[in-house]
Amino acid sequence: EAQVTQNPRYLITVTGKKLTVTCSQNMNHEYMSWYRQDPGLGLRQIYYSMNVEVTDKGDVPEGYKVSRKEKRNFPLILESPSPNQTSLYFCASSLGREVYEQYFGPGTRLTVT
Amino acid sequence: GENVEQHPSTLSVQEGDSAVIKCTYSDSASNYFPWYKQELGKGPQLIIDIRSNVGEKKDQRIAVTLNKTAKHFSLHITETQPEDSAVYFCAAGGGADGLTFGKGTHLIIQP
Repeated sequence: EAQVTQNPRYLITVTGKKLTVTCSQNMNHEYMSWYRQDPGLGLRQIYYSMNVEVTDKGDVPEGYKVSRKEKRNFPLILESPSPNQTSLYFCASSLGREVYEQYFGPGTRLTVT
Repeated sequence: GENVEQHPSTLSVQEGDSAVIKCTYSDSASNYFPWYKQELGKGPQLIIDIRSNVGEKKDQRIAVTLNKTAKHFSLHITETQPEDSAVYFCAAGGGADGLTFGKGTHLIIQP
């Protein structure tokens, strides 16, 4: 089954404790991205990757890091989480950045206290 | 960059009635306009999309219309059913800038 998986689905952590949210896709997609969803703000892109070892900032990259060492995986790293990063996070993948359908993961709900 | 405005933020309709969600965009270079549906506890899923060389596209009870001159596009859902209750996102883009999403519409179907 074609899918995007994320782990963990739920995470409660404390300010400053480094965390990683994993994302994996099995569709051989070149393009992967991370979004955060906040009430009243919709979906905002954090980072994206056009291919292995190629990453770039989206609209809200501050406080986040990513890496793309393998085509299928695109982890999101919060080196020092803060309460304003409490949000619902989605990973997505598609054939390319242009006019292609994006496949979203199930989401990770992160709470930083 | 692209800016997408979506209205209304909440829409409540009686089961069986039609629902219309509207979006406007700012970048005349945008040529791809998808609509995503997000059910509770799940990620958004593409339900229909339209490209700039087409004015209207229909798939069973859902349809999308595009007016490139006015820079707006709309989602139409006819004969609404309880399973249509969800958050709907429009998006605009195409080319190297990727997609910009609207803020979403919470559609509530009243029994």
